[in-house]
Amino acid sequence: EPEVTQTPSHQVTQMGQEVILRCVPISNHLYFYWYRQILGQKVEFLVSFYNNEISEKSEIFDDQFSVERPDGSNFTLKIRSTKLEDSAMYFCASRRGLTRETQYFGPGTRLLVL
Amino acid sequence: GENVEQHPSTLSVQEGDSAVIKCTYSDSASNYFPWYKQELGKRPQLIIDIRSNVGEKKDQRIAVTLNKTAKHFSLHITETQPEDSAVYFCAASIKEGGADGLTFGKGTHLIIQP
Repeated sequence: EPEVTQTPSHQVTQMGQEVILRCVPISNHLYFYWYRQILGQKVEFLVSFYNNEISEKSEIFDDQFSVERPDGSNFTLKIRSTKLEDSAMYFCASRRGLTRETQYFGPGTRLLVL
Repeated sequence: GENVEQHPSTLSVQEGDSAVIKCTYSDSASNYFPWYKQELGKRPQLIIDIRSNVGEKKDQRIAVTLNKTAKHFSLHITETQPEDSAVYFCAASIKEGGADGLTFGKGTHLIIQP
């Protein structure tokens, strides 16, 4: 069964550095998402992406964040200048495309900002 | 925006007993309500979902009920087993159609006592 994949599984960075988190959604899926989960807390929506543009973003997704689908398979989340509070698990998700259909989550990237 | 409340935060039940987790949502436009199970360090995995045009859905030992008028939905697990131990998150879709990010509850840590 196809799965969403993410790389790297762990990333450690210094405050102020840029990071790029990568995701490969399930191949026939059209809608893509990023969520984050601070340790011990709930999963929080960041952004959704469809047809090469952002469909919706939360208040967490400020100017420091950007997303891109650079080719037909990858979906990336860039954090331009990381802060300590960006430390979290970042999950990518995708869904096929019909209204209200299941979102499948990737295994996550654990980001630690020092 | 949507707000999802979930309780209890921790639930301990004896193996073989039933477990019930409850969620309420604020936005009457929400129309999709998935439940995810997350084991320690793993990705959230969908276990069951319900759409607003039905009041109940069952899949083996797991059932979900939805009361649109009261804006609450519940997860019921019967004949609990040790492998049911995990954190369970309810969620609601923010808007109809298109790309819709999920708003999650804070999670319930379900502990199955042998």
